[in-house]
Amino acid sequence: ETGVTQSPTHLIKTRGQQVTLRCSSQSGHNTVSWYQQALGQGPQFIFQYYREEENGRGNFPPRFSGLQFPNYSSELNVNALELDDSALYLCASSPPSNMNTEAFFGQGTRLTVV
Amino acid sequence: EDQVTQSPEALRLQEGESSSLNCSYTVSGLRGLFWYRQDPGKGPEFLFTLYSAGEEKEKERLKATLTKKESFLHITAPKPEDSATYLCAVRELQGAQKLVFGQGTRLTINP
Repeated sequence: ETGVTQSPTHLIKTRGQQVTLRCSSQSGHNTVSWYQQALGQGPQFIFQYYREEENGRGNFPPRFSGLQFPNYSSELNVNALELDDSALYLCASSPPSNMNTEAFFGQGTRLTVV
Repeated sequence: EDQVTQSPEALRLQEGESSSLNCSYTVSGLRGLFWYRQDPGKGPEFLFTLYSAGEEKEKERLKATLTKKESFLHITAPKPEDSATYLCAVRELQGAQKLVFGQGTRLTINP
């Protein structure tokens, strides 16, 4: 059984650019959530996807968007990057809600905006 | 709005010195309280889920407990490899399965 995998592990972008981060969910998990973690802080919920539709959103602007694919993998897109977008971006997958509700995280993508 | 507060922010212990980390929470209806361990630059690693007041779970040197307003993570006779940031999170009964995290407790165990 493979865990949650994210790519890339690190990247550097320039302010104003766009970025796409990718996540493959754990086998059997149909729900994917994305979190932003600034240095020294706890992760903050961005949004969640369930069956290819957005199923909840945190306090993030529309330039943060996402997709979920039929195989439950997911993308996080961020447009018009700002310096404050520099953070560790975490993807978490969860099994169907009638089972245990634990969320399992990937290793994260470290985004630096310069 | 759900809130999670962890204390202390940082804790330094000697190897073998037991202690507890606190997680206070406010949530309209608790679906679960989660503890994670996070090493620097890595994603959080799942430790425990607690569902109702009075519940306790153990794993090696760690034991998590839950009341209606807070959770404790007890660390017994810690080793240097237990050094990490410990994160607490809650999930509501209703709505999306989002986790609301505290800011974490950075634990350092000196040999």
